[in-house]
Amino acid sequence: KAGVTQTPRYLIKTRGQQVTLSCSPISGHRSVSWYQQTPGQGLQFLFEYFSETQRNKGNFPGRFSGRQFSNSRSEMNVSTLELGDSALYLCASSLAPGITYEQFFGPGTRLTVL
Amino acid sequence: AQTVTQSQPEMSVQEAETVTLSCTYDTSESDYYLFWYKQPPSRQMILVIRQEAYKQQNATENRFSVNFQKAAKSFSLKISDSQLGDAAMYFCAYRKSGGSNYKLTFGKGTLLTVNP
Repeated sequence: KAGVTQTPRYLIKTRGQQVTLSCSPISGHRSVSWYQQTPGQGLQFLFEYFSETQRNKGNFPGRFSGRQFSNSRSEMNVSTLELGDSALYLCASSLAPGITYEQFFGPGTRLTVL
Repeated sequence: AQTVTQSQPEMSVQEAETVTLSCTYDTSESDYYLFWYKQPPSRQMILVIRQEAYKQQNATENRFSVNFQKAAKSFSLKISDSQLGDAAMYFCAYRKSGGSNYKLTFGKGTLLTVNP
């Protein structure tokens, strides 16, 4: 079974631009979570989607948004990019949102904002 | 709010030796899960081991075991017979059982180097 895939793997943008990152979960997984990883702040929860609905959101500004499609694929969007948005963005999928379901992580998208 | 603290930014171990990575956490919840994740350089994060808080017995997965001290809110990872492939960033993480938010709260990580 294929793992979680994220595209693109690397991205370079300039301040003020917007970016869309994509995550395809493991087949059959319906829950997708996004995390931001930076050297300073570590791993921080962005949001979680299940059945095309955002269930939870972390403490990030409204410039960060996401959505989930009927095939469980998810996208996250960051508008008006800032230098501080440079990070590794990780997506994780699980069968469902419950505590007993393991989250499987993708390889991440490395975003650099210049 | 729950917090997870890893006090060792870096650790090193000789191949075949044993190393213990420390983790403490703070929570007011009584039921939760704790995890250790491994993130090798430029590779994706994988689950190493997990512990349910209601279980007194420490979890073990082959060469990996934990020392879970619920009262002390401590959750250390012991790696026995260290191998070169164990070199990675290790993250301790917390996830509460109740409610509807199952997000993972991570520590800042410990970079483990394995010396041949």
